[in-house]
Amino acid sequence: GAGVSQSPSNKVTEKGKDVELRCDPISGHTALYWYRQRLGQGLEFLIYFQGNSAPDKSGLPSDRFSAERTGESVSTLTIQRTQQEDSAVYLCASSLFGSTDTQYFGPGTRLTVL
Amino acid sequence: QQQVKQSPQSLIVQKGGIPIINCAYENTAFDYFPWYQQFPGKGPALLIAIRPDVSEKKEGRFTISFNKSAKQFSLHIMDSQPGDSATYFCAASTVGSSNTGKLIFGQGTTLQVKP
Repeated sequence: GAGVSQSPSNKVTEKGKDVELRCDPISGHTALYWYRQRLGQGLEFLIYFQGNSAPDKSGLPSDRFSAERTGESVSTLTIQRTQQEDSAVYLCASSLFGSTDTQYFGPGTRLTVL
Repeated sequence: QQQVKQSPQSLIVQKGGIPIINCAYENTAFDYFPWYQQFPGKGPALLIAIRPDVSEKKEGRFTISFNKSAKQFSLHIMDSQPGDSATYFCAASTVGSSNTGKLIFGQGTTLQVKP
């Protein structure tokens, strides 16, 4: 079946602009995670959804970052007033129910802030 | 206490060699330790994972060794092939219904296997 998909695959924006990144999880997966991968670094956890609620937002780096999820489907990560330090690959992962299940990652969105 | 430290940062081996990647953690609440493999332009994919009730797990050419007392675990790739050239990440999390399962990742190891 289809894996996790993300769009766009690449996004170039100017400093100060807002961006929206989209994640379509595997159908039926209730858990959804967003991670950020800076160049040459490991992945940093941003936010966790169970269904459409976000019980763990502890990784969001500032109030410029927000995310929402529609039911057990698509999620959108929004970054307002982008800064150059926001440049990274943003990865989405989904799992069947949560912590006991394998996380399957999408290919990521490469964000470049000029 | 949430960190996972991974070494080496990069590794070059000849085909057939046995690269070893090491990770160390501090949080004793971690009880799930996966390794992910990532090819350029792709998202990470689960390679193999271990729980702390066993000291070793083997899947094909990939083996995890786990030392609970030292809070360390490592990945061994037997008979490495050029197709194994990728970036490898260790990670740790806490499972259970009251936990989110968020993964804490190491910094990654770029492996090159020369033909």
